[in-house]
Amino acid sequence: NAGVTQTPKFQVLKTGQSMTLQCAQDMNHNSMYWYRQDPGMGLRLIYYSASEGTTDKGEVPNGYNVSRLNKREFSLRLESAAPSQTSVYFCASSVDRGDYGYTFGSGTRLTVV
Amino acid sequence: GENVEQHPSTLSVQEGDSAVIKCTYSDSASNYFPWYKQELGKRPQLIIDIRSNVGEKKDQRIAVTLNKTAKHFSLHITETQPEDSAVYFCAASKADKLIFGTGTRLQVFP
Repeated sequence: NAGVTQTPKFQVLKTGQSMTLQCAQDMNHNSMYWYRQDPGMGLRLIYYSASEGTTDKGEVPNGYNVSRLNKREFSLRLESAAPSQTSVYFCASSVDRGDYGYTFGSGTRLTVV
Repeated sequence: GENVEQHPSTLSVQEGDSAVIKCTYSDSASNYFPWYKQELGKRPQLIIDIRSNVGEKKDQRIAVTLNKTAKHFSLHITETQPEDSAVYFCAASKADKLIFGTGTRLQVFP
């Protein structure tokens, strides 16, 4: 039982490159979330998917897109990376929406140079 | 609006002392309040939570209290140990998601 699995764990991109962060959960959770955490800062919501087939913008969606591929998988895409997107990205899942605690993945440390 | 305020931002205590972190929320419809602990370089992990029909919940050395009228909730850690050193985040439910506080860095000195 892996919980929430994120890949890759580390990535270095050049400005303008694109990449997709992958997230998968094996807990049959309905809701999934993408956060970014800058050094010494809190968690900022990028996008979320309350249920399979839906996605919504969070607090800081600019420069990102998401896909809820199926109930298990929720990917985050950076189309044209910028240095301001250097951050640690966490994926999380919940049984159902905000009424239950989140389980977080181990994070992806992204550096854009 | 969506807002959870958390205080203090940093907290230093001597080993064995108690630590209290306080949060306030703005949405009266919020009914679920979890607390997360994030150690350096690790993911946030759920340590305790409380629902709006309960005023207090304890789990060994940690407890959470909720005052729905005042829209306050607090985390209490007793007999602190060096391994309690971490960043703690409170959160409140709002519709499809949780709204997180800005975090409290707790340092426990031996």
